[in-house]
Amino acid sequence: DVKVTQSSRYLVKRTGEKVFLECVQDMDHENMFWYRQDPGLGLRLIYFSYDVKMKEKGDIPEGYSVSREKKERFSLILESASTNQTSMYLCASSWGVGAYEQYFGPGTRLTVT
Amino acid sequence: DQQVKQNSPSLSVQEGRISILNCDYTNSMFDYFLWYKKYPAEGPTFLISISSIKDKNEDGRFTVFLNKSAKHLSLHIVPSQPGDSAVYFCAASDTNAGGTSYGKLTFGQGTILTVHP
Repeated sequence: DVKVTQSSRYLVKRTGEKVFLECVQDMDHENMFWYRQDPGLGLRLIYFSYDVKMKEKGDIPEGYSVSREKKERFSLILESASTNQTSMYLCASSWGVGAYEQYFGPGTRLTVT
Repeated sequence: DQQVKQNSPSLSVQEGRISILNCDYTNSMFDYFLWYKKYPAEGPTFLISISSIKDKNEDGRFTVFLNKSAKHLSLHIVPSQPGDSAVYFCAASDTNAGGTSYGKLTFGQGTILTVHP
């Protein structure tokens, strides 16, 4: 079974703090993705990575950055958290080129106060 | 611009009856479609998919129908069970995008399905 884990289930941070969200997958997947889920908006892609040290912007990258130093780990960074970044953050992974089924972690509920 | 739309935020169905969840898309380049189910406090899990070369795909109680001319797909659950109560997301991909598309999915807003015993 593919397992995608996220470092925290719940996180509360203050405005202006730097926030790190970590994601680890154990199936040697090439692709990794970060989404945020908001009511009425569904899942929106923030960033994705198709290889170590490679990244591409998704639909809503503003205010976020990512890091992928190892194949199994993909980090989402909020350089200076703002209240409009309060959301559910979901990490996903998939096999590689031509693979469209993504496997999701349980999510991190981030609240920025 | 929402390229994948699920216009019904919620659906309520009696146990044993059919649940029909709908999804519309605007990007004619989308050629692969997936449905995901999400329970509270869990990540979405893959349910069923369909390629644009087909108009129907079945897996047990779940059937997905694709109408390319209408840019519409639907998920049928028969018979519905209380354990099917969850948020359902449809997603779409352009498999010919090439370059760095790398399996990117565009998701709809989700539909909350409630199946009453």
